[in-house]
Amino acid sequence: DQQVKQNSPSLSVQEGRISILNCDYTNSMFDYFLWYKKYPAEGPTFLISISSIKDKNEDGRFTVFLNKSAKHLSLHIVPSQPGDSAVYFCAAFLGNTPLVFGKGTRLSVIA
Amino acid sequence: DAGITQSPRHKVTETGTPVTLRCHQTENHRYMYWYRQDPGHGLRLIHYSYGVKDTDKGEVSDGYSVSRSKTEDFLLTLESATSSQTSVYFCAINYGGLEGYTFGSGTRLTVV
Repeated sequence: DQQVKQNSPSLSVQEGRISILNCDYTNSMFDYFLWYKKYPAEGPTFLISISSIKDKNEDGRFTVFLNKSAKHLSLHIVPSQPGDSAVYFCAAFLGNTPLVFGKGTRLSVIA
Repeated sequence: DAGITQSPRHKVTETGTPVTLRCHQTENHRYMYWYRQDPGHGLRLIHYSYGVKDTDKGEVSDGYSVSRSKTEDFLLTLESATSSQTSVYFCAINYGGLEGYTFGSGTRLTVV
């Protein structure tokens, strides 16, 4: 059973608009949630994270929102740029346990 | 960039042959991980290590073994490669807390 779920395999957004990537989780004990970005032929790179005691974290164009009651988090990218086109992975962990990843969402930003 | 390298970057091997992938770090981190990435499955944990000679299994460990005889190297071995092990393999090190993991560039393995 998947503990971290990304139910949208792909998303297309016009340049300049907002991209919203969603992630659901089942384990209410997770301490931290992270987003990774992956370009083809490269390893995933850390993008932004949020602690379970917060409900929002912002870093430039990227904002992550956490709704613990719904076990849901989202990544907002505003404004979207063509260079944001990549696969985005949601991940979570508890204590020292390894990161658990979702299946990823492929974002395409169209110029 | 973080000092983590994977070798080889690409490999084609035949079914039934043993294969070893290497992950090398220069930063003395305690925790190291092996993940595989497959379409429709995202990143799945194979094995991880929390110190020299200390390893544990992940979600998809069947058919894989690992060894860590020194801090900087974490080896992943496919004892007898199968076509289902065709994948992209990523090694990662853990900076801890909200910094997440740093991943290597990956090894693309094809088993024919």
